[in-house]
Amino acid sequence: ETGVTQTPRHLVMGMTNKKSLKCEQHLGHNAMYWYKQSAKKPLELMFVYSLEERVENNSVPSRFSPECPNSSHLFLHLHTLQPEDSALYLCASSQHRGTGVDEQFFGPGTRLTVL
Amino acid sequence: GQNIDQPTEMTATEGAIVQINCTYQTSGFNGLFWYQQHAGEAPTFLSYNVLDGLEEKGRFSSVLSRSKGYSYLLLKELQMKDSASYLCAVTDSNYQLIWGAGTKLIIKP
Repeated sequence: ETGVTQTPRHLVMGMTNKKSLKCEQHLGHNAMYWYKQSAKKPLELMFVYSLEERVENNSVPSRFSPECPNSSHLFLHLHTLQPEDSALYLCASSQHRGTGVDEQFFGPGTRLTVL
Repeated sequence: GQNIDQPTEMTATEGAIVQINCTYQTSGFNGLFWYQQHAGEAPTFLSYNVLDGLEEKGRFSSVLSRSKGYSYLLLKELQMKDSASYLCAVTDSNYQLIWGAGTKLIIKP
């Protein structure tokens, strides 16, 4: 257990569906991240939140919409996804903002399949 | 562009030693991380190097050479549970974390 939980662990959705991924961290950290992990590719940073404010949005398509209602919770809302969006979506947190400063604590991920 | 290179896959024998290499070309350098990720699980932190030299943690060691743009992770007395992917990541001059694609390590009895 890393102190970061994600639900659901697996999700299958059609291209017209709307779903949400949830992440919760129990570590008292100030920064939270969404990553996309595809097979044999480097982790892709999608969004960064610091103290509930979005500080990075790395050219992610608008069909992905993040939400951070408080410093412990992070959501990723999904709509009209494409099959190429199928991947493992990882949530992470760290004490401070800045992806390259502190150790990051990752959740187990949501395996997303888009049909 | 920024680039991290790691072998895609390696195989080693239980009880042996294995070295996983990582070479990087980034705009600046502010540290290098190694993470371990078992299949279907979260990546977990292994080590952090910012100065040249060795960082040891039990059976795992990481070595950094900034002049060569190179690091390696050394795993000793391999156990079956060490079968996992090992991710190398470098912090660039803007404190952005640049990730490698990971090395899948297979341990055979």
